[in-house]
Amino acid sequence: GAVVSQHPSRVICKSGTSVKIECRSLDFQATTMFWYRQFPKQSLMLMATSNEGSKATYEQGVEKDKFLINHASLTLSTLTVTSAHPEDSSFYICSARDELAGGGEQFFGPGTRLTVL
Amino acid sequence: RKEVEQDPGPFNVPEGATVAFNCTYSNSASQSFFWYRQDCRKEPKLLMSVYSSGNEDGRFTAQLNRASQYISLLIRDSKLSDSATYLCVVNPYNFNKFYFGSGTKLNVKP
Repeated sequence: GAVVSQHPSRVICKSGTSVKIECRSLDFQATTMFWYRQFPKQSLMLMATSNEGSKATYEQGVEKDKFLINHASLTLSTLTVTSAHPEDSSFYICSARDELAGGGEQFFGPGTRLTVL
Repeated sequence: RKEVEQDPGPFNVPEGATVAFNCTYSNSASQSFFWYRQDCRKEPKLLMSVYSSGNEDGRFTAQLNRASQYISLLIRDSKLSDSATYLCVVNPYNFNKFYFGSGTKLNVKP
């Protein structure tokens, strides 16, 4: 299957700082990528859909000014958690589809575990 | 009502057992269905797509029942390594919207 990378895999930061997470499709192009958050023992929650060359589409209840998404190329989307607080500590996962392959499957990055002190 | 519902389990089964999970979805217009496997503290990995005609891959069989709006996953001859959380994913309208079930936890014991 298609490969999606994510960086960093783990980050610990102080409250009030901003953290940028990168999501890359390594062997395919993706006009659309997805950002999820997962709290312990819960399912993935879609935060936003990242669209190459245009604004991201945010799910209800997700603050667009707090979770900045940039999808500047067909292989890279970034999520910036601004002014992070302890309640933002979570597992953030991105995914992408290989649109040229035609299937509907999503391929996930390995995730970023964010801990805000 | 949730878009996708799964029994959270856990299902505790001995090695070699056959186990089945179901997943119900609410939108009858749903187009695509998938089973993913997620290990603890890892990302989900695609296990298999679910086609209208069913899909089999080794010990794993997935079925779709459109009339009753559910998909199933059958695992035969369970291995210890099958222990994980199995996520049901449904794509209702187009490929840019996916709904995840909360996952079914499977524990395969020696």
